[in-house]
Amino acid sequence: DQQVKQNSPSLSVQEGRISILNCDYTNSMFDYFLWYKKYPAEGPTFLISISSIKDKNEDGRFTVFLNKSAKHLSLHIVPSQPGDSAVYFCAASVAGNNRKLIWGLGTSLAVNP
Amino acid sequence: EPEVTQTPSHQVTQMGQEVILRCVPISNHLYFYWYRQILGQKVEFLVSFYNNEISEKSEIFDDQFSVERPDGSNFTLKIRSTKLEDSAMYFCASSVTTSGTRYNEQFFGPGTRLTVL
Repeated sequence: DQQVKQNSPSLSVQEGRISILNCDYTNSMFDYFLWYKKYPAEGPTFLISISSIKDKNEDGRFTVFLNKSAKHLSLHIVPSQPGDSAVYFCAASVAGNNRKLIWGLGTSLAVNP
Repeated sequence: EPEVTQTPSHQVTQMGQEVILRCVPISNHLYFYWYRQILGQKVEFLVSFYNNEISEKSEIFDDQFSVERPDGSNFTLKIRSTKLEDSAMYFCASSVTTSGTRYNEQFFGPGTRLTVL
């Protein structure tokens, strides 16, 4: 079951530069997308989300872009900081009350000082 | 800031034994979830719970699994007879999802690492 795919297992970026994390999905019924950040030995922490009626959502240094025709979303972090080093998960859900999350495998981001 | 808590942080058990994983969701949340992540694999949905009953469960959530909200604060996952393949991180999550809100993020606890020997 590969409904949500994060094809880059890892990414390394210099401090101050832009980090771009990518996510692809196959299920056209997804209408809500979320990014979570996870440090070792901790649970996922919600970062930012976007609904399918939008193509961009921004929160401080974090921006998520959604391209529905390509079934692709990306998370931009500008500027990247060493504290951003973590595993980033893309997740998606289908409309309805349950909203169970379908997850990607994650991308491990390393921001180097 | 309110948070989801889980106990224990690590549980080691023998195959065939019963385990209960405990969670305290955020107090005004209405939907509760269990997910698990086997080492090196994706986070997988197990079950969602609303209004004191299961609202959806995955294929993984077979008869060996059960959930309960025994009081107003705790939410538990019971595995009746553990197997080696149940070894994973188990995450509890909660979401407010009121009738007036269409989209809601889920907030996760720190997880319980279950090791079945």
